Amino acid sequence: SQQGEEDPQALSIQEGENATMNCSYKTSINNLQWYRQNSGRGLVHLILIRSNEREKHSGRLRVTLDTSKKSSSLLITASRAADTASYFCATPNGGGSQGNLIFGKGTKLSVKP
Amino acid sequence: DVKVTQSSRYLVKRTGEKVFLECVQDMDHENMFWYRQDPGLGLRLIYFSYDVKMKEKGDIPEGYSVSREKKERFSLILESASTNQTSMYLCASRGTDGNPEAFFGQGTRLTVV
Repeated sequence: SQQGEEDPQALSIQEGENATMNCSYKTSINNLQWYRQNSGRGLVHLILIRSNEREKHSGRLRVTLDTSKKSSSLLITASRAADTASYFCATPNGGGSQGNLIFGKGTKLSVKP
Repeated sequence: DVKVTQSSRYLVKRTGEKVFLECVQDMDHENMFWYRQDPGLGLRLIYFSYDVKMKEKGDIPEGYSVSREKKERFSLILESASTNQTSMYLCASRGTDGNPEAFFGQGTRLTVV
């Protein structure tokens, strides 16, 4: 069962540019999370936004959440070559905090020096 | 530093072998998960466990079983490995309610020949 779907599937930008990735989901949620995966490694948690929040910042990351549209976006500002990775959104199955997370298929970001 | 450790980074097994993938977490988390990740398909949940000796099927449990005898350890078992089980396997753990963030192991790249 696929809850989150990221868009675009792949994104290629130059260093210094901003990267925006989008995620759409299907059911009501109480939080949405973004993860990063370097090639061949496990996922690392980046940021969580709760359903009563519209925007959240963490360093060069900015996440927005629009519960009426069931969508979220992740913005990476002033990108670096080290930001090259796949990015996934994840939502709780059933909408709550218990149980498993459902991941989208990810956006593969390539940042060229 | 919190940790989820998978027993192997790379494994090569023969068709028909019984394969054990081990995962240990040191965060006293109730919930543990096994995902497999394949190109174009994203992360798919195989099984998860919300307590010792408790387990729930995910989206693709066929051909797999799990064991959780201790809170910190969650094992994935391939009863009779087949070539279509060649994949990247990711273990994760998370707490409950106030801490919905998931922590992942480094992944096990399994090749069945």
